Amino acid sequence: DTAVSQTPKYLVTQMGNDKSIKCEQNLGHDTMYWYKQDSKKFLKIMFSYNNKELIINETVPNRFSPKSPDKAHLNLHINSLELGDSAVYFCASSGLAVNEQYFGPGTRLTVT
Amino acid sequence: GQNIDQPTEMTATEGAIVQINCTYQTSGFNGLFWYQQHAGEAPTFLSYNVLDGLEEKGRFSSFLSRSKGYSYLLLKELQMKDSASYLCALPQAGTALIFGKGTTLSVSS
Repeated sequence: DTAVSQTPKYLVTQMGNDKSIKCEQNLGHDTMYWYKQDSKKFLKIMFSYNNKELIINETVPNRFSPKSPDKAHLNLHINSLELGDSAVYFCASSGLAVNEQYFGPGTRLTVT
Repeated sequence: GQNIDQPTEMTATEGAIVQINCTYQTSGFNGLFWYQQHAGEAPTFLSYNVLDGLEEKGRFSSFLSRSKGYSYLLLKELQMKDSASYLCALPQAGTALIFGKGTTLSVSS
């Protein structure tokens, strides 16, 4: 009965590879997000999707491409991984506008 | 744009009271959130203030002054499990959150 789930929890890969992170929420929320938390623990919004449509793209490199097959899923695909992409990526969802967000457990990505 | 400032670190002892401050600048205020994040875990919601004043929720209370661009989180009867990062956040474009850099609280016995 997990509210927001992500897979995988850990991801170790080499520079130049392409990888995907999956997120699913069973809360019936309309809006989903991807956040990146860097090594200094700074949590920053990357993307926001409302009912399958992108509504925010915070100047993230176009190597990152979110895809939402339906409003319960928001996946993140990353091409040509770089060392600087190493971080924890959190998926989140929310219901009504300006409402609390529920975060997934995070995916720790390490690029070597 | 938006800007959020919080102290980087704080320390306290079990049983004490600690106040974590957050000052912010924003072009359009739409409420302020506090989240708690334990090491290696996801952030979890603590409070949401949209009106001035103090809101109490058990051992945790949150205060907001919109005219001063100021909020604080008050933790009473500190316990070891309260050792965590506390994140102040503002909604952006109505939904996504802009977070401060967080305050790491260490509670010792």
